[in-house]
Amino acid sequence: KAGVTQTPRYLIKTRGQQVTLSCSPISGHRSVSWYQQTPGQGLQFLFEYFSETQRNKGNFPGRFSGRQFSNSRSEMNVSTLELGDSALYLCASSFDSLTEQYFGPGTRLTVT
Amino acid sequence: AQSVTQLDSHVSVSEGTPVLLRCNYSSSYSPSLFWYVQHPNKGLQLLLKYTSAATLVKGINGFEAEFKKSETSFHLTKPSAHMSDAAEYFCVVSGAGGYNKLIFGAGTRLAVHP
Repeated sequence: KAGVTQTPRYLIKTRGQQVTLSCSPISGHRSVSWYQQTPGQGLQFLFEYFSETQRNKGNFPGRFSGRQFSNSRSEMNVSTLELGDSALYLCASSFDSLTEQYFGPGTRLTVT
Repeated sequence: AQSVTQLDSHVSVSEGTPVLLRCNYSSSYSPSLFWYVQHPNKGLQLLLKYTSAATLVKGINGFEAEFKKSETSFHLTKPSAHMSDAAEYFCVVSGAGGYNKLIFGAGTRLAVHP
């Protein structure tokens, strides 16, 4: 069974731009969660989508948003990029909220 | 609120010696606890999980962890370190949103010397 895939793997953007990251979960998994990893703040939960609905949300500004499609694939969008948004963005999928999450390799976003 | 504290930011061991990575947790209810490992430029891999069954949990690659409610601890151990164990390890507790809202510790970087 294929694992969680994330595209692109690396991205360089300029401050003020917006970016969209994509995540394809493991086949059959309905839940997709997003996390931000930075050296200063560590790993922080962004949000979770289940059956196309946002079910949980972390403490991030409204510039961070996401969505999930009917095939469970998910995208996250960051608008008006700031230098501090430079991070590794990890996506994780699971069958439901009572089963463990499997992580993708991440998208490394650099904002200049 | 739930939180985890990893007591050591760096641990260095010699190959073949035991590994101990320490984690304390705080939770307002019976927690689910996990250890994840992250190798350089890789995603996170689940080592093991505790979900209120047996207090001694066995994971992959010879790792195990013991849940001690009285000490609010969930330390990760391995009897004999291997060079391939060098990585960053995260102790994780599930938040109020269930398994899918994970709260991570700051991480412990494990170095293994020949």
